Amino acid sequence: DQQVKQNSPSLSVQEGRISILNCDYTNSMFDYFLWYKKYPAEGPTFLISISSIKDKNEDGRFTVFLNKSAKHLSLHIVPSQPGDSAVYFCAARFNQGGKLIFGQGTELSVKP
Amino acid sequence: EAQVTQNPRYLITVTGKKLTVTCSQNMNHEYMSWYRQDPGLGLRQIYYSMNVEVTDKGDVPEGYKVSRKEKRNFPLILESPSPNQTSLYFCASSFRTESSYEQYFGPGTRLTVT
Repeated sequence: DQQVKQNSPSLSVQEGRISILNCDYTNSMFDYFLWYKKYPAEGPTFLISISSIKDKNEDGRFTVFLNKSAKHLSLHIVPSQPGDSAVYFCAARFNQGGKLIFGQGTELSVKP
Repeated sequence: EAQVTQNPRYLITVTGKKLTVTCSQNMNHEYMSWYRQDPGLGLRQIYYSMNVEVTDKGDVPEGYKVSRKEKRNFPLILESPSPNQTSLYFCASSFRTESSYEQYFGPGTRLTVT
C-alpha cells in the first residue's frame, strides 16, 4: 500500500510559468515532509521541507504547501527555468524517527 | 569536499554470490540510510541507522543486511543476491535535526543480478 503517492508521472511547463507538483499521503503519523530533486545519473538532492505543524514554507523560487485535512502537499516553482527539469520526489518522515517514505516521483520538463 | 561515496558504482553478479556495497561519508553525520530506486516505485528505504550500532528496518529490508560499526561507514550486504534485487541503490546521510532529514545522497550503485 503506497502511503505517499505522486499521481502525475510527468509534467511539462513553459519557461517562466509556474510548476505545481503534487503529493498525497495517507498516514497521519508523518511529522515532516521533504522534496528532493534528481537529475539523471546523479543522487537526489534536498530541495525544501515542511513540518506538519505548518502550512507553508518558502525558499526562493520554491514554496511547499501542506493541507493536512486533505493529506496533500504541493511544490510550487515560480518562475520555472529549464534547469529545473528533473525528477521530483516527495518524502514523508514517521513521527521523529528515521523511517522515510518516498513517492514514485514526477518528471518535470521545463521548455524554453 | 563534503560528500557521500559509494563503491562500486556498477556491479554485475550472479545469483547467490555474496556482495557488499560500501558507503562512506565525511560530514560526521549521525544518520545514514540505504534506498533502492525502481521504475514506477520511486525510492524505497531498505535500512537506516540513527547512530553507531543503531540500525533499523526501512520499507523493504528483506534480503539485505547492514552494519554501523563506525560513524562514517554504512555498508549494505546482500548475502545471497537474487534477480529481484537488480536495482539502482543510493546511500544517504544527514545530521539528526528537528527538520530531519535533509539528506546528502551518494551517486548511486547500479546492481545487476543474473
